[in-house]
Amino acid sequence: DAKTTQPNSMESNEEEPVHLPCNHSTISGTDYIHWYRQLPSQGPEYVIHGLTSNVNNRMASLAIAEDRKSSTLILHRATLRDAAVYYCILVAQGAQKLVFGQGTRLTINP
Amino acid sequence: DAGITQSPRHKVTETGTPVTLRCHQTENHRYMYWYRQDPGHGLRLIHYSYGVKDTDKGEVSDGYSVSRSKTEDFLLTLESATSSQTSVYFCAISVRAGDYTDTQYFGPGTRLTVL
Repeated sequence: DAKTTQPNSMESNEEEPVHLPCNHSTISGTDYIHWYRQLPSQGPEYVIHGLTSNVNNRMASLAIAEDRKSSTLILHRATLRDAAVYYCILVAQGAQKLVFGQGTRLTINP
Repeated sequence: DAGITQSPRHKVTETGTPVTLRCHQTENHRYMYWYRQDPGHGLRLIHYSYGVKDTDKGEVSDGYSVSRSKTEDFLLTLESATSSQTSVYFCAISVRAGDYTDTQYFGPGTRLTVL
């Protein structure tokens, strides 16, 4: 499985945008970039995914570099409820399994 | 909400006893998964199922067995629980995202303590 690299932790302030980076220099052409997050004492939660183009949904935006070797999850206006561990995962096309790394622990200050 | 429930939510048991955890889904999804989560290790796949009676091993399957006799239920059994199996167990289902990839939805977890 292609590997991703994320910072161990990040901190931001409430109501400010947050940019969570992910490096995946060995990504293959058919690997999708998935983001999940895990709130305290809960199971992981799907956030967003993309292949080549930037993506937006009600939770976040995903910006994918042109060479696809990195991506950034953008939370446009962080709330305290966004404090969680965020996982960036590469998923091969058609693959049915996820491999979780350590993720980025995001702290939101009031 | 993908209609996933897990039971029990909490369990304390003794070393050497058998334990069965249940995952139940209400939406007829084909793929189901069991993960465990431990401090310092993140989530690791134990077993998964791709249909009734069709299962396969994950990364950390030793000491665990699974069964799926109905689409909606996926059972995880620890035949003889050990302290190293103290963990939080998550069940998940897989949903086609509309392109050539699937997304997973997770249950609330079962906290298992083996004394």
